[in-house]
Amino acid sequence: AQTVTQSQPEMSVQEAETVTLSCTYDTSENNYYLFWYKQPPSRQMILVIRQEAYKQQNATENRFSVNFQKAAKSFSLKISDSQLGDTAMYFCAFMKITASKLTFGTGTRLQVTL
Amino acid sequence: GAVVSQHPSWVICKSGTSVKIECRSLDFQATTMFWYRQFPKQSLMLMATSNEGSKATYEQGVEKDKFLINHASLTLSTLTVTSAHPEDSSFYICGANTGGNEQYFGPGTRLTVT
Repeated sequence: AQTVTQSQPEMSVQEAETVTLSCTYDTSENNYYLFWYKQPPSRQMILVIRQEAYKQQNATENRFSVNFQKAAKSFSLKISDSQLGDTAMYFCAFMKITASKLTFGTGTRLQVTL
Repeated sequence: GAVVSQHPSWVICKSGTSVKIECRSLDFQATTMFWYRQFPKQSLMLMATSNEGSKATYEQGVEKDKFLINHASLTLSTLTVTSAHPEDSSFYICGANTGGNEQYFGPGTRLTVT
């Protein structure tokens, strides 16, 4: 079974600064997908970024980028130029190639301050 | 991106009654849909996976007779909480796969059982 660990329950960052959220996972699979989802106060889950394990290049979506270290089973999310609208819970998630089920981490609550 | 709707967004029911929650994929066909439960300040807990035209697969510990799932079409899945009790009060979220290994989520349904 897969497990996803987010060791930072809460983080805070000032507006315009950069913050990195950590995620580690455990799996015996070689091919899989990793995701970061954002859940703002509205509680709508929003896909932020995804990474295919077979791709060495780190995924990037505008201000969001990941640092994917397959051997270390680490998948961190970097948010650059933080904005107040980035305040949310962030969940790291794992999906096997052969199945569409997501395994979520416990989440990191990010607060962006002025 | 893909859009998933949920109805109702908030429902209050009396103990012992049943309540149905609908999940619809609005602009894509979802062969697989998922139902999650989320307690305050916690992660999403997968309850069951439903495939169109077949029986749902429930996660360990989830009572299939209490949480009835029907995936009647490629765009609609329903979750019925039968004989609801106050401990069933929670936030329920559905997810739908586009087929491209990305899961999109509905806005959630807040269930309060009095």
